[in-house]
Amino acid sequence: EAGVAQSPRYKIIEKRQSVAFWCNPISGHATLYWYQQILGQGPKLLIQFQNNGVVDDSQLPKDRFSAERLKGVDSTLKIQPAKLEDSAVYLCASSSLNRARGGYTFGSGTRLTVV
Amino acid sequence: EDKVVQSPLSLVVHEGDTVTLNCSYEVTNFRSLLWYKQEKKAPTFLFMLTSSGIEKKSGRLSSILDKKELSSILNITATQTGDSAIYLCAVTNAGKSTFGDGTTLTVKP
Repeated sequence: EAGVAQSPRYKIIEKRQSVAFWCNPISGHATLYWYQQILGQGPKLLIQFQNNGVVDDSQLPKDRFSAERLKGVDSTLKIQPAKLEDSAVYLCASSSLNRARGGYTFGSGTRLTVV
Repeated sequence: EDKVVQSPLSLVVHEGDTVTLNCSYEVTNFRSLLWYKQEKKAPTFLFMLTSSGIEKKSGRLSSILDKKELSSILNITATQTGDSAIYLCAVTNAGKSTFGDGTTLTVKP
């Protein structure tokens, strides 16, 4: 089974610029998550989609972050404008509705550096 | 607000040692506790625990959940340098996972 694909792998931008990350989940996985992981901390959920609907976006800074999952498959996370504190690894994960085996499958992440 | 605390923050051992990593949690509507290993970037799934007192085992790794104490431990026996990683604990509440900040394990040859 192919894994969760993310791009780009790395991105360096200046503050106040915009940036977008892309994620393609495992085929057939209905649930998709975007996490932000700041160095030295655990992943923090930004947004959770089930198919193309938002389940939880309570921790998404909506003044600058946006995400969409058109057609319930791949997803894009955007930051506009970026701040220094947005420097982090952005992880995408997916899971099936039946999570009997447990756990999410994570992509390799995008490391964002804002300078 | 759901909370997951892991200890110790970091640990340095020598190959062959046994280590125990701790995870405690406060969560409403607990569903499961998960352990992940994170090397470089992507966390990889190790265990999911839902029932108290039942040990999950995979090779040299094992984990057990204590729902009464709201905690879990992850044991690694006969550690190898390849076990060096960040170990993350997460608890799920109706499909949403809250992660701890991890324990960084360094295994020296």
